[in-house]
Amino acid sequence: QLVLTQSPSASASLGASVKLTCTLSSGHSGYAIAWHQQQPEKGPRYLMNLNSDGSHSKGDGIPDRFSGSSSGAERYLTISSLQSEDEADYYCQTWGTGIRVFGGGTKLTVL
Amino acid sequence: EVQLVESGGGLIQPGGSLRLSCAASGFTVSSNYMSWVRQAPGKGLEWVSVIYSGGSTYYADSVKGRFTISRDNSKNTLYLQMNTLRVEDTAVYYCAREVAVAGMLRGMDVWGQGTTVTVSS
Repeated sequence: QLVLTQSPSASASLGASVKLTCTLSSGHSGYAIAWHQQQPEKGPRYLMNLNSDGSHSKGDGIPDRFSGSSSGAERYLTISSLQSEDEADYYCQTWGTGIRVFGGGTKLTVL
Repeated sequence: EVQLVESGGGLIQPGGSLRLSCAASGFTVSSNYMSWVRQAPGKGLEWVSVIYSGGSTYYADSVKGRFTISRDNSKNTLYLQMNTLRVEDTAVYYCAREVAVAGMLRGMDVWGQGTTVTVSS
């Protein structure tokens, strides 16, 4: 079964960096994912697509502070030089034939 | 400008029906995979349904047999017909475009602002 697992929460200080993790279920380590950001009271926003080899392509207007990387079944989203507006929920998402799956989301607090 | 605008949400009693619309601009709905995603109050994102450019449709188990995704190419609009609504269908419903490059999906790259469906007696 295709499942994505995320830690419920993370925190980091203003100006620092943070690395969020999304883990693919067993047998699905080769899957690509997408990262989405949802700021409070707003709809989701596409950040990037991230492949199993770590290559990624960002959405329009996404700052260079956002980057992605991969290792095995883990997919990472790194945000550097944290700003207050980065405080949001972050969701990973993947897909198969006839199915789409979201992780539970990570709530990022910027201290 | 590429944009999606949902409409049709509202308050409906359990067992009732509702049709959501998602009007697209700046691109052609029928040339893309299009999904509906919902978010219950205080919860995460949950995929609901997808329609492929070729017309194939798929549903989450939670809505299979009750919801129907469709599109009107002349209106460049995506729809979600929701029947036999339950309290647990209460959520903000988003439509989203799925981007593909060289035949490879890259995720949902354009999202609407959402429309709220409340199922309550």
